[in-house]
Amino acid sequence: EAGVTQFPSHSVIEKGQTVTLRCDPISGHDNLYWYRRVMGKEIKFLLHFVKESKQDESGMPNNRFLAERTGGTYSTLKVQPAELEDSGVYFCASSQVLGAGYYGYTFGSGTRLTVV
Amino acid sequence: QKEVEQNSGPLSVPEGAIASLNCTYSDRGSQSFFWYRQYSGKSPELIMFIYSNGDKEDGRFTAQLNKASQYVSLLIRDSQPSDSATYLCAVSDYKLSFGAGTTVTVRA
Repeated sequence: EAGVTQFPSHSVIEKGQTVTLRCDPISGHDNLYWYRRVMGKEIKFLLHFVKESKQDESGMPNNRFLAERTGGTYSTLKVQPAELEDSGVYFCASSQVLGAGYYGYTFGSGTRLTVV
Repeated sequence: QKEVEQNSGPLSVPEGAIASLNCTYSDRGSQSFFWYRQYSGKSPELIMFIYSNGDKEDGRFTAQLNKASQYVSLLIRDSQPSDSATYLCAVSDYKLSFGAGTTVTVRA
């Protein structure tokens, strides 16, 4: 079984530019989550999809962030325009059961975003 | 989101010793508790989950949960250099709230 795949693995962009991160969940996982770790801080929840619907986007920092999951398969997270404080590692995770249940999430390897 | 606090570390232990990691959480209604291991530059990897009071053992790892004290711990017995990593405590309703992590270094 393929794991959660994220790309790019690294991205360096200038302030004001746009970046799109992609996540391919494990096949059959309806639940998809985005998390972010900013340098020196704990990993924070951004949002949760159930299939193509946004279940919870309470962790999205502001309207410069837009997440989509067309067709309920892969998801994209776009940052436009990027700011310096957006730098960090963006993790995607997926699960079969709603939420972590008793089994936890499977995380992707993350995208390290650096805004300069 | 719930507040999750871990002993800040870093924690350095000799090979073969027991590493003890602690975590407290603020939401008394939390139901599921997880320990993730994260190697530098890698994704978090689930190593233990626990949801009932008491101990849960899996190989060299033992998780302990005390809901009355809102306390979760992880013991790593017979620590190996390969256990050197950051250990993340996480608490769940349906989304995970993470602690900041404790970095463990096992000295050969």
